[in-house]
Amino acid sequence: QSALTQPPSASGSPGQSVTISCTGTSSDIGGYNYVSWYQQHPGKAPKLMISEVSKRPSGVPDRFSGSKSGNTASLTVSGLQAEDEADYYCSSYAGSNSFVFGTGTKVTVL
Amino acid sequence: EVQLLESGGGLVQPGGSLRLSCAASGFTFSSYWMHWVRQAPGKGLVWVARIYTDGGSTGYADSVEGRFIISRDNAKSTLYLQMNALRADDTAVYYCARETRGSEDYWGQGTLVTVSS
Repeated sequence: QSALTQPPSASGSPGQSVTISCTGTSSDIGGYNYVSWYQQHPGKAPKLMISEVSKRPSGVPDRFSGSKSGNTASLTVSGLQAEDEADYYCSSYAGSNSFVFGTGTKVTVL
Repeated sequence: EVQLLESGGGLVQPGGSLRLSCAASGFTFSSYWMHWVRQAPGKGLVWVARIYTDGGSTGYADSVEGRFIISRDNAKSTLYLQMNALRADDTAVYYCARETRGSEDYWGQGTLVTVSS
């Protein structure tokens, strides 16, 4: 149950795109299509942004998109806005009734 | 409106025990898997435990296996986390969350557990 690997930080100017990677193994990301992405603002509870690799829950802007290739998942935020500045975490089902989160990425809007 | 409200956090000495509760409303509690997730101060999210709809199946992170017990009372729409043999590194905000198809789609606001002498 080692944490999934994310870059500590990412940044972009308003209107630009930023992509965050999330690297795991064949036992988690590579083995299942249950990859999720969460946004967390300081002092707040996490919010689901992407489920099942690439599905957007109701109310999440279409600027947010997800994908997966092999053991690596990615979250892309297009058309960055000031309110997108937050911490982002990936998560994956890891088999045997367990889950694992990523190490987290702080996104800064320049 | 889906609501999850955690309670039971507080200060406990190393080696002590604490039971967290999560009161659910706004959805059919008995139809959903439920999770506990924690976050140490200034750190990232860490998955803790998961329980099936009827409580018949559970899963735990290696770091809490054998010390923590997740359970639920569907009649009361309440999720629990019994935490035993607490250590300093268990200090965190503990969130309960509802699962839908492999994702935690609703989260509570969390309850802070501090393990210190």
